[in-house]
Amino acid sequence: DADVTQTPRNRITKTGKRIMLECSQTKGHDRMYWYRQDPGLGLRLIYYSFDVKDINKGEISDGYSVSRQAQAKFSLSLESAIPNQTALYFCATSDPSANSYNEQFFGPGTRLTVL
Amino acid sequence: KNEVEQSPQNLTAQEGEFITINCSYSVGISALHWLQQHPGGGIVSLFMLSSGKKKHGRLIATINIQEKHSSLHITASHPRDSAVYICAVRITGNQFYFGTGTSLTVIP
Repeated sequence: DADVTQTPRNRITKTGKRIMLECSQTKGHDRMYWYRQDPGLGLRLIYYSFDVKDINKGEISDGYSVSRQAQAKFSLSLESAIPNQTALYFCATSDPSANSYNEQFFGPGTRLTVL
Repeated sequence: KNEVEQSPQNLTAQEGEFITINCSYSVGISALHWLQQHPGGGIVSLFMLSSGKKKHGRLIATINIQEKHSSLHITASHPRDSAVYICAVRITGNQFYFGTGTSLTVIP
């Protein structure tokens, strides 16, 4: 079974709709991240969380919100989706106590299309 | 402005060839991460390093901190190595910055 799962894997929606992407992990990691990937661009950080009570904005947080419901769950919401939010979204986890590198482990990705 | 530059952007090789993918960065880093993104989109961690060299199977990663450069080598390449290889650097304690990736195709 995958350690980091994302639902849905694919979603097509319309402009203005509210969308939630969910991430769950069984790795027991405290740190979780949301990234988006666009063609020709590197992964960009949207939000990250170091524990249930900690939420931090990343490089491109405008238009997004997150919720850390539990250590294992981190959700990303688009309150009112727009076409330029069409992208591949990745959730990742890390545990800096496991090694000094803070290696990240990625989910399978969610492909979101906003029409 | 991208803190991480990868070259080449695209690479086609014949099966069995030795492959090198390069990653250069412009700032001081605490760690560098090589990742592999499969054609289906999934991302897998290959190496994390902050100095020297690491080897795993046919993959070798090196880093030169002074020159701000890392290389990923694949020996005896195989079609199943076809993927996008991504370099990421950790600049502050918590955030990584990612290159745009090198798309590798290995032809039988």
